[in-house]
Amino acid sequence: DSGVTQTPKHLITATGQRVTLRCSPRSGDLSVYWYQQSLDQGLQFLIHYYNGEERAKGNILERFSAQQFPDLHSELNLSSLELGDSALYFCASSVGGTTGNQPQHFGDGTRLSIL
Amino acid sequence: GIQVEQSPPDLILQEGANSTLRCNFSDSVNNLQWFHQNPWGQLINLFYIPSGTKQNGRLSATTVATERYSLLYISSSQTTDSGVYFCAVNRDDKIIFGKGTRLHILP
Repeated sequence: DSGVTQTPKHLITATGQRVTLRCSPRSGDLSVYWYQQSLDQGLQFLIHYYNGEERAKGNILERFSAQQFPDLHSELNLSSLELGDSALYFCASSVGGTTGNQPQHFGDGTRLSIL
Repeated sequence: GIQVEQSPPDLILQEGANSTLRCNFSDSVNNLQWFHQNPWGQLINLFYIPSGTKQNGRLSATTVATERYSLLYISSSQTTDSGVYFCAVNRDDKIIFGKGTRLHILP
C-alpha cells in the first residue's frame, strides 16, 4: 500500500460530460502529480502541485484542470470529454517541491472509460 | 524535447534468469527514476537514481549521466517480476517516460 488514495477506481461516462478525479497524498507529502496512461500515448505527465500551488505543467489539455486544496488533497477535472480521453489516470505524491526530484509514490489509478 | 528510449521492448525469460534493461535519453537530465507496473496496473517506484549505482535486494540500477543512459538489473527473476518497467527522466520541470520494457517471467 503506497498510502496514496485515488477515487473513484472506475468511471464510465459519455462524450461531452465532465468528471472529477480525486487524490489524497501520503501523510506528510506536500506534492501531488497527475499522470495519464493511454494505449496511444503511453504514460504522460500532466501537472504538479506543491502545497497548494501549481509547480509544473506537462501535456495537460486546456479542457483539463487541477487544483490542490489546503488539506493537500487534489482534484483533476476533465471536461468536454472525448473518446480519446479514455485512459488510466494516476496520482502520485512526494515530499519535496522541486518537480520530479524526489521518489514518487503512486495511487492505484482511476480508469476512465468514455462511451 | 528529450527523447527517452527503452530496450528491449519485450523480454521473456525463465524463472531464475538474470536480465538487463536499458534506458537511453537524448539530453542531460536532472534525474531519472525506474518504475515497475505490475500485471494489475499498479505503479511502484523502484529507484530514484540521477547518477551512480543503487541496489535493493535482487534489483540494482546504474545511471551514467555523462553518457545518457541507465541500466536496471534484475537477478534471479521471479514470476512476480513480470510486468512493464518504465524509466522516467526530469528536465526543466518536465517528466518524460519511456515506452517501457514488458517483462514476462515463465515459471
